[in-house]
Amino acid sequence: GQQVMQIPQYQHVQEGEDFTTYCNSSTTLSNIQWYKQRPGGHPVFLIQLVKSGEVKKQKRLTFQFGEAKKNSSLHITATQTTDVGTYSCRSTSGTYKYIFGTGTRLKVLA
Amino acid sequence: EAQVTQNPRYLITVTGKKLTVTCSQNMNHEYMSWYRQDPGLGLRQIYYSMNVEVTDKGDVPEGYKVSRKEKRNFPLILESPSPNQTSLYFCASSTGTAGNTEAFFGQGTRLTVV
Repeated sequence: GQQVMQIPQYQHVQEGEDFTTYCNSSTTLSNIQWYKQRPGGHPVFLIQLVKSGEVKKQKRLTFQFGEAKKNSSLHITATQTTDVGTYSCRSTSGTYKYIFGTGTRLKVLA
Repeated sequence: EAQVTQNPRYLITVTGKKLTVTCSQNMNHEYMSWYRQDPGLGLRQIYYSMNVEVTDKGDVPEGYKVSRKEKRNFPLILESPSPNQTSLYFCASSTGTAGNTEAFFGQGTRLTVV
């Protein structure tokens, strides 16, 4: 079945450093969504990308969708302690099914 | 306030004792689904429902049942829980079924089966 690989699994950064997580699929994705889950919390929607090569920004967060629509990335510039949590990508697998990446757990050291 | 409500938040049970985790949303969403989250594996879809009386299997449906008798409710049933079903469970809902709408998640239910 379709799989979405996400790397890295864990990332520890010093506050102020940049952070990037990547999602890669062996098949073309119709769209991709990104979610953030704070420790002890539930996933919260961040953004959706639909178009090939699409780039969207939210303050210090930059989201990209690859030209072939098989990969996506989330980049955080100058991380802050409020950025801690698990970042996961999600895409459709078939018409009504969804598949998540394995998630990247970010820890920011003050 | 728009929300997805799961109950209970925490549950410890014994192997084989049937249990139900409830999920309710107040946003009139058509699509609802259940996920389990395990370390290193991320969120995996258990079951989903496109609308009332319409449900289908996700990637890890074994050992679970669901029903969708009303639009707002989507309970997850474990008929005979086993220790490998110890996990963090999330219910989610979204407005459409086209795969391009954001999902709203409940607070999660941490289940331990001993």
